[in-house]
Amino acid sequence: DSGVTQTPKHLITATGQRVTLRCSPRSGDLSVYWYQQSLDQGLQFLIQYYNGEERAKGNILERFSAQQFPDLHSELNLSSLELGDSALYFCASSVGGREYGYTFGSGTRLTVV
Amino acid sequence: AQSVAQPEDQVNVAEGNPLTVKCTYSVSGNPYLFWYVQYPNRGLQFLLKYITGDNLVKGSYGFEAEFNKSQTSFHLKKPSALVSDSALYFCAVRDALGGGNKLTFGTGTQLKVEL
Repeated sequence: DSGVTQTPKHLITATGQRVTLRCSPRSGDLSVYWYQQSLDQGLQFLIQYYNGEERAKGNILERFSAQQFPDLHSELNLSSLELGDSALYFCASSVGGREYGYTFGSGTRLTVV
Repeated sequence: AQSVAQPEDQVNVAEGNPLTVKCTYSVSGNPYLFWYVQYPNRGLQFLLKYITGDNLVKGSYGFEAEFNKSQTSFHLKKPSALVSDSALYFCAVRDALGGGNKLTFGTGTQLKVEL
């Protein structure tokens, strides 16, 4: 157990639907990062939050949004889902400094049918 | 932007032989480099990092990496491979450009260790 908890582990939903992925960071970590992993795109950075504030945005679609709550857990909302959104979505957390690596959760596998 | 490249999609090695997984980087300023491993249906696990100091960095599970500034490389090595080392390996660089503090990952190298 890495200490980063992601729920649900698997999600199957239809095109056009909306889903919410949840992440609880490791105790003491203030930064949360979301990544999308697909076969053709590799690991793509989506967004970073630090202590409740958005810090960096990557290749995140307008249909996607995220937030980090006062208890530091984070949610990634995906709406108007398309077949191409099927992927593994990872959350990672870190203390926040440049010299620190991430601790990854085990991911949520999203399948859009 | 900061980036890393992993030139090999797959590396095959016999158990007991040394292994090398290659990574080159392109950064402005001092590089902060990382290696992660991903086993099937699992999240990425941290192996080691280079921030500053010795060019040879030792990490988890007997892995080490050699930082070479002149060749802009950060290759992952292990003296004697195990079948259980078979996994997907990612090189990453810290990218603070544009705000934030994210890691930018390479495309990954599939390591296959055979008996």
